[in-house]
Amino acid sequence: AQSVTQPDIHITVSEGASLELRCNYSYGATPYLFWYVQSPGQGLQLLLKYFSGDTLVQGIKGFEAEFKRSQSSFNLRKPSVHWSDAAEYFCAVGILNTGNQFYFGTGTSLTVIP
Amino acid sequence: KAGVTQTPRYLIKTRGQQVTLSCSPISGHRSVSWYQQTPGQGLQFLFEYFSETQRNKGNFPGRFSGRQFSNSRSEMNVSTLELGDSALYLCASSLVGGPTETQYFGPGTRLLVL
Repeated sequence: AQSVTQPDIHITVSEGASLELRCNYSYGATPYLFWYVQSPGQGLQLLLKYFSGDTLVQGIKGFEAEFKRSQSSFNLRKPSVHWSDAAEYFCAVGILNTGNQFYFGTGTSLTVIP
Repeated sequence: KAGVTQTPRYLIKTRGQQVTLSCSPISGHRSVSWYQQTPGQGLQFLFEYFSETQRNKGNFPGRFSGRQFSNSRSEMNVSTLELGDSALYLCASSLVGGPTETQYFGPGTRLLVL
């Protein structure tokens, strides 16, 4: 069965520090991988996605993620965090099927301290 | 273009009642997906509609149902509400659906069951 694991429920970083959010997936075929961000009271916004090709993908707001097939991971990174990055982050895998069927992790809540 | 809109934004119901939530997708989008978001469970896929037909379904009881109209607007219904149905219900739309497409999320409807 497909699953997505985000091992870190909550992370606190200082503004200007680097950030890495972990995501591991379980899926038999080549996955379609996504990172979304959710600010309080808002819906989810797509940060970046990976389908194939270069395993390092760039997204919006200075985020990047690296697909590592051998580790079944798709970790999200940012070199320097801004206070506005405080939010909930979700990793998701889309399965190859007719239409939409996505599996989300339980999320990582990011706190940024000045 | 207007984004995905969901109405109402907040609802309070009591156990045993039923509720209907509405989602208007981005103009031109024909795929609408519904998710339930709860703390600790993250986002769980409910179902997806395309061209007025349910195309995919998650693992939820039959109390959860939905439909899509010819203008792609979608409604979901929860009958015989239980306390555990308290959650944020998110709707997402995309052009035709599929794991390579970007889903655009609405702000959600927060349902509280007392």
